Amino acid sequence: GENVEQHPSTLSVQEGDSAVIKCTYSDSASNYFPWYKQELGKRPQLIIDIRSNVGEKKDQRIAVTLNKTAKHFSLHITETQPEDSAVYFCAASMIQGAQKLVFGQGTRLTINP
Amino acid sequence: DAGVTQSPTHLIKTRGQQVTLRCSPISGHKSVSWYQQVLGQGPQFIFQYYEKEERGRGNFPDRFSARQFPNYSSELNVNALLLGDSALYLCASRRTGSLNTEAFFGQGTRLTVV
Repeated sequence: GENVEQHPSTLSVQEGDSAVIKCTYSDSASNYFPWYKQELGKRPQLIIDIRSNVGEKKDQRIAVTLNKTAKHFSLHITETQPEDSAVYFCAASMIQGAQKLVFGQGTRLTINP
Repeated sequence: DAGVTQSPTHLIKTRGQQVTLRCSPISGHKSVSWYQQVLGQGPQFIFQYYEKEERGRGNFPDRFSARQFPNYSSELNVNALLLGDSALYLCASRRTGSLNTEAFFGQGTRLTVV
């Protein structure tokens, strides 16, 4: 079955700098890759997603890139702010069939003022 | 609109007991999925239901079962609880059965087995 590896497990950056989180997946049939943000004690919230027919997607300060050949995708956050501090999860799935999202282990991002 | 609601928010059970967790999806959402999130890890898929039918099952033992009601709410049942079942149980709802629509997560039920 699908397996998703996420790195790093913790990341600390200065406010205003960029943060990059990387994920690799094992199942070449996966074609949907969402990213979730989970603040302490709160529910996971979708922040951006990408489908396999595109290589990059941007939404303001957040961007995701996908390399299907290498089976990896990355989350890029620019101009980081204190409210970006949270745990970020990548996930992989197939659009058709069961809605089984396979999550990475998570990255705890800390933005230092 | 109210978001996905789960009850109870916290629960403490003893090993060997049974537990039922409840989820009410966003109004108009017909798909409900259940995930188990152990502390420090990503959520793991347990079940997905759409239009009251099971559409997917993760690698969990038969002690885990679920169902979806005509109003699209759902229950997750866990029998013969083990210490390792202690986790945050998340419910996610979607408007359709496809991943083309965003999944909205509830706040979760934190289950502690002692």
